[in-house]
Amino acid sequence: EDQVTQSPEALRLQEGESSSLNCSYTVSGLRGLFWYRQDPGKGPEFLFTLYSAGEEKEKERLKATLTKKESFLHITAPKPEDSATYLCAVQAAFNKFYFGSGTKLNVKP
Amino acid sequence: GAVVSQHPSRVICKSGTSVKIECRSLDFQATTMFWYRQFPKQSLMLMATSNEGSKATYEQGVEKDKFLINHASLTLSTLTVTSAHPEDSSFYICSAMTGTNEKLFFGSGTQLSVL
Repeated sequence: EDQVTQSPEALRLQEGESSSLNCSYTVSGLRGLFWYRQDPGKGPEFLFTLYSAGEEKEKERLKATLTKKESFLHITAPKPEDSATYLCAVQAAFNKFYFGSGTKLNVKP
Repeated sequence: GAVVSQHPSRVICKSGTSVKIECRSLDFQATTMFWYRQFPKQSLMLMATSNEGSKATYEQGVEKDKFLINHASLTLSTLTVTSAHPEDSSFYICSAMTGTNEKLFFGSGTQLSVL
């Protein structure tokens, strides 16, 4: 069964405390893995797309990596403004997208 | 990145009325658009997939007569919630997929409250 699992459900960090969010997937015919940031009452904001195992992408304090079974979103020295829910989505064949339930990140000053 | 515009951002209506939500891709042609529903503290629940000029494909359990989707052009899809009831109150989000590199971009969402 195709599915995407994100962990942890919630994460509380002190400002400057680096950590990683996990997205594990069992999807046949992976075409891409997407990371999004969602603020309360807003639509998801695109962060990264990863297409193949070993690929890495970076944007400011965020770095996304991909293996054949999972992806990590590494947050280096986070700031309070990084607080949000981070969603992972996997694109399979026939434009099917599978979403994780998200990790709610709270960064305290 | 590509821009997807969704309107209105918030709507309050009386039970029994119909509400239309628009989703536009502003700077690209969207081969496929998706509509989702999101409950508080939960992830996105896909409602339907629409391709320009053809009928939408609805997910199991989603009433197609209740949630009418029209994808009239490569830049516009609409979701009409017909005869809305309080249980239809939710956050509705659209997304559009670019044809070239198949990236998925989201609208800002519509909070529907049915009284």
